Amino acid sequence: KAGVTQTPRYLIKTRGQQVTLSCSPISGHRSVSWYQQTPGQGLQFLFEYFSETQRNKGNFPGRFSGRQFSNSRSEMNVSTLELGDSALYLCASSLGGDSFQPQHFGDGTRLSIL
Amino acid sequence: AQKVTQAQTEISVVEKEDVTLDCVYETRDTTYYLFWYKQPPSGELVFLIRRNSFDEQNEISGRYSWNFQKSTSSFNFTITASQVVDSAVYFCALRAGSGNTGKLIFGQGTTLQVKP
Repeated sequence: KAGVTQTPRYLIKTRGQQVTLSCSPISGHRSVSWYQQTPGQGLQFLFEYFSETQRNKGNFPGRFSGRQFSNSRSEMNVSTLELGDSALYLCASSLGGDSFQPQHFGDGTRLSIL
Repeated sequence: AQKVTQAQTEISVVEKEDVTLDCVYETRDTTYYLFWYKQPPSGELVFLIRRNSFDEQNEISGRYSWNFQKSTSSFNFTITASQVVDSAVYFCALRAGSGNTGKLIFGQGTTLQVKP
């Protein structure tokens, strides 16, 4: 069974640009969550999508947005990039039916802002 | 407020030693879920175990064991006879609250280095 796939693995952007990251969940999983990982703040929850609807959102500015498609694939967009957005962005999927289901993570997209 | 604390930032042991990683959590919810993940250098978070708040039974899986104690709000993880391949960052995580189905709150992580 294929795991969670995130593309691209690495990305370099400059301040002010925007970026779109992609996540394909495990087949059959309907919930997709996004996390930002930095050395200073650790792992922080961005948002969760379930059945194409944002079900939960963390404390990030509106520059961070996402969406989910009918096949459960998800994209995350960051506009007007800032130096502080440099991080590893992790996507996780789960069946989504209840809170006991574990989330399974992808390898992440490492975003560097110059 | 919900919070997970992993007080040990880095642990270094010699191969075959036993090591315990501590995790203390805070939540006011009576129903909650605890998880442990392993993050090797490649970056992917690997799911290790989950526990719900109603199940305090300890669990053993090979060299890994987990001790869940609600009285002390702790969910500690022990690796017996550690191996070099166990070197990684380990995260304890909490999911609580009826509206937080997709949200994990992570501790800061413990970096484990196992030396040959």
